Amino acid sequence: GNSVTQMEGPVTLSEEAFLTINCTYTATGYPSLFWYVQYPGEGLQLLLKATKADDKGSNKGFEATYRKETTSFHLEKGSVQVSDSAVYFCALNGYGGATNKLIFGTGTLLAVQP
Amino acid sequence: DARVTQTPRHKVTEMGQEVTMRCQPILGHNTVFWYRQTMMQGLELLAYFRNRAPLDDSGMPKDRFSAEMPDATLATLKIQPSEPRDSAVYFCASARTGVEQYFGPGTRLTVT
Repeated sequence: GNSVTQMEGPVTLSEEAFLTINCTYTATGYPSLFWYVQYPGEGLQLLLKATKADDKGSNKGFEATYRKETTSFHLEKGSVQVSDSAVYFCALNGYGGATNKLIFGTGTLLAVQP
Repeated sequence: DARVTQTPRHKVTEMGQEVTMRCQPILGHNTVFWYRQTMMQGLELLAYFRNRAPLDDSGMPKDRFSAEMPDATLATLKIQPSEPRDSAVYFCASARTGVEQYFGPGTRLTVT
């Protein structure tokens, strides 16, 4: 079945460091891929998305490229800030757009220290 | 700035009591999801609706949980009777068909 695997956290970085959070997926067909972010005490917010192979999603300095050959959608940011501290979820919609049902990874906690 | 709203934000109740959580989806969104988040299990999909009809509630314990959409602007999740293991944060999310989900702020439920 469809699934998403994320790297285990927590990821602890100093401010201005480079961030990579790995995400790989298993899916039939051509899923859409998403990164959601959850700040403390809040719901999940869509950070970025990509709907087909080689698409790059980007937002707020974060980027992720849909790599079909490696079934990956790694999240990157060149210079993290303390305000980026949050839990990041990778997700896929593998149902051909007929439904919005998402499959989420387990989440990766990012802690950025000043 | 349209948002999903959820009430109450926090609920503390005793075991055996009925709990009702409410969600107002974004106007124009026709799909509503209920999730439960715990440290142990992470984010779990409990049920979802399209055009107010339940499409999938396989993630929901049927004996005590029920979800409904009385109208297009209100979704409810009820637990009766509640148990300590139901303590979690419950999220509602809404979407238009084929588009990404927008999450509410959640209801933090504590059952003592």
